[in-house]
Order: sequence, then structure tokens, then C-alpha cells
Amino acid sequence: EVQLVESGGGLVKPGGSLRLSCAASGFTFSSSSLTWVRQAPGKGLEWVSSIDPTSSYIYYTNSVRGRFTISRDDAKDSFYLQMNSLRAEDTAMYYCARLAGSTSLYYFDYWGQGTLVTVSS
Amino acid sequence: QLVLTQSPSASASLGASVKLTCTLSNGHSNYAIAWHHQQPEKSPRYLMKINSDGSHTRGDGVPDRFSGSRSGAERYLTISSLQSEDEADYYCQTWGPDHAVFGGGTQLTVL
Repeated sequence: EVQLVESGGGLVKPGGSLRLSCAASGFTFSSSSLTWVRQAPGKGLEWVSSIDPTSSYIYYTNSVRGRFTISRDDAKDSFYLQMNSLRAEDTAMYYCARLAGSTSLYYFDYWGQGTLVTVSS
Repeated sequence: QLVLTQSPSASASLGASVKLTCTLSNGHSNYAIAWHHQQPEKSPRYLMKINSDGSHTRGDGVPDRFSGSRSGAERYLTISSLQSEDEADYYCQTWGPDHAVFGGGTQLTVL
């Protein structure tokens, strides 16, 4: 059974940092692309960042580029989102997901349960 | 610019069928998409993908009450024999060259 479990969320002041983790099981982690998606309170889903199996292709949405860093540790079957210079508008539930598919369509076939990040003074 | 457009809300009666629509922006009418749903207070769940030829592939454990189709730039999710647990937000999603795009979501109410 595929499982993705996020951790690391919490309350942080504007300008602060947090590191989210996603622990995976039930699939071949090292050959999988992975992603972070967030959802602000009462809003829709917003893609944040994705990383391919070799960390050669890493993508970010414009609003987080330069502040957030996605990474992976295949030895631990885990991947991460380092979030710096946090802003109030980064407040959201953050979901990790596996990215499946090919160049015709990449899609999120398994999702975690989410971890809440609140940026507030 | 790659954009997916969804109606904000839809409703249908228990046991009936409903067809949700996701419209691709100009110049992107041949893109494949995926459908996800999110029940209240739960994380999203992948339902299916709709290929550019209109064929669809459901995710693991997704009942065959859920089906997909296309017409031009429109992609559809049809849910038959509606059940109370189908009340959820439904999101379409696609992929640009280096980023994912979500539609704004459709809130489905089962009457």
C-alpha cells in the first residue's frame, strides 16, 4: 500500500523558516518523481514544487522560487521542502504527493494527509 | 497561458448522474488532464486521467461509477448512481512544460 506521511508543519513568524518532510512507503521511491501541493484555508489546490528521480529536474511555482527548496533522500525514502522567508500568504495545508505519468501528462496519483503551516506574528 | 476553468458549484440528486466540466484554455485543447476529488476535511484523492484521445484510466480502487470523456477543449467527469460520499470538491489538473496547473475546483452537492 502506498503511503505518504508529512510532518514538520507549525506556527512560524513572518520571515521565519520551516522544513517539511514526507516519508514514503509502498513503492519504489528512488525511481519516483515527487511533489508538494498546498491549499490555503478555504481555497483550491496550488502546485508548489516537483523533483524528478535524479534531482536533475526541479521546478517551482513563481511565488516560492528563491525561497523554497525541494530535496530528496533516497536512503530514507523521504523528501523535503525547506521554506525560508515565509510570508503570511504561505499559510496553507501542505500535501506531498507522488508524481506519475509522462510528458503527455504528469499527475498526482497518491497524496499524503497534509501538514499545516501557519505564518503569523 | 495554460488555464483550466471549472464551474464553482454543481448539484444533483442521490442516485442520479452528474457531469462536471473542465475547459482547457485556447491553444491547449489537446492536453490530457487528471481529475481529483477532496471530500470534506480530507486530503485529495486521484480519480482518473483523461488522455488526449478521450480515453480514461481510473486510479486504484476508483469505482466504475466514475468515467471520463472529452469534446474539443472540454474534459468531463461523469459520476453515475450518486452517493452521499460523492459530495466533495472536484479538481481537474494538467501539466505544462515545467509546472502543474489546477482548475479552481467544483463543489458538488448531493441532494
